[in-house]
Amino acid sequence: GAVVSQHPSWVICKSGTSVKIECRSLDFQATTMFWYRQFPKQSLMLMATSNEGSKATYEQGVEKDKFLINHASLTLSTLTVTSAHPEDSSFYICSARDPLGPRQETQYFGPGTRLLVL
Amino acid sequence: AQSVTQPDIHITVSEGASLELRCNYSYGATPYLFWYVQSPGQGLQLLLKYFSGDTLVQGIKGFEAEFKRSQSSFNLRKPSVHWSDAAEYFCAVGAWGSQGNLIFGKGTKLSVKP
Repeated sequence: GAVVSQHPSWVICKSGTSVKIECRSLDFQATTMFWYRQFPKQSLMLMATSNEGSKATYEQGVEKDKFLINHASLTLSTLTVTSAHPEDSSFYICSARDPLGPRQETQYFGPGTRLLVL
Repeated sequence: AQSVTQPDIHITVSEGASLELRCNYSYGATPYLFWYVQSPGQGLQLLLKYFSGDTLVQGIKGFEAEFKRSQSSFNLRKPSVHWSDAAEYFCAVGAWGSQGNLIFGKGTKLSVKP
């Protein structure tokens, strides 16, 4: 149980284009999802917390207009990188909490999406 | 400030040897703690978690961790390492009553010698 998927797993795009990454909880409903960014050989940095039906909460230094987050349903959150530039190239990982699970504080992570902006 | 420290960036152990990965935290509130493992190019897999109660917790793949409040530590251990354990290991801390935000350590890369 508690499986989280991400799509796509890999994306290569041209500078200036927008990229949408999907995060789905497959066997539970997630009222809260999290988006992280991980640079090579570094730890995960929280970008934003996504709550179903409300606006995302962004961490300090993360541009809201550049990284658009939508959590329209209890099983889907999307991250759109708008007007992507090479410096946005990174590994993006989402996670979700199962509010009805035995330990609702536990975050279950997706497999990640590697973005390369040329 | 809240922080998680994993002092060892890279550890190499021989297959069959014991393993201990260190994790220290600095947190104003009562924390809950996790250890996650990440294989190259993959997401994070939960190894084990501590919320309350018994301070020695068992996880998957033969891992265990011990929460020591007096030392602000949550070290991960395994009595006998397998080659498939080679990966990056992250310690993470959360706070009760928060939105569930986790603070991650920088990770420890484990290499296993045959």
